[in-house]
Amino acid sequence: DTEVTQTPKHLVMGMTNKKSLKCEQHMGHRAMYWYKQKAKKPPELMFVYSYEKLSINESVPSRFSPECPNSSLLNLHLHALQPEDSALYLCASSQTWTGGEQYFGPGTRLTVT
Amino acid sequence: KNQVEQSPQSLIILEGKNCTLQCNYTVSPFSNLRWYKQDTGRGPVSLTIMTFSENTKSNGRYTATLDADTKQSSLHITASQLSDSASYICVVSRAGSYQLTFGKGTKLSVIP
Repeated sequence: DTEVTQTPKHLVMGMTNKKSLKCEQHMGHRAMYWYKQKAKKPPELMFVYSYEKLSINESVPSRFSPECPNSSLLNLHLHALQPEDSALYLCASSQTWTGGEQYFGPGTRLTVT
Repeated sequence: KNQVEQSPQSLIILEGKNCTLQCNYTVSPFSNLRWYKQDTGRGPVSLTIMTFSENTKSNGRYTATLDADTKQSSLHITASQLSDSASYICVVSRAGSYQLTFGKGTKLSVIP
């Protein structure tokens, strides 16, 4: 199984809402990532988890809060987002965070109204 | 500065024709180079991954080449199909690093 799954596929939320994005992999990977991708732009790294601990936070605003409940799951909690946060949010995983191919999920298309 | 440059920016070809996409990089120290296919609004799907010692790698109708000396790679698509319409992204990783350097992609449109 070389699949990374993400739910939901689409999400529309207001600026006062609280929502969560979910990501799951069963490849035994110990590194998981969140990326943000705006239209016609390459993905931008947000967070890196290694062995369920947050290793990298690329200066992401606190309205985005990641969580890694176990080695297979990665969540991204959203609160008080702005319309400019509308984007495709991608999850990825790899064997370790210092190497190995990153496998991407299908993404969650987020629209903030 | 670590950079990945892709050309052309966009390409339109007739169904059944071949095409070649280019990627130049300055990422160092080099670990590997990947080509991804990304449909609009969807996550990237890996086509090939090449390390320093690999010159050519094929995946069905997709063939990637790598010249580590000149830091150039190409992706050749043969007998194009309408379903090949997508963005093709070249991604280079640094040795011992989590960071990926993404190219801006080539948007390919295959028309009947």
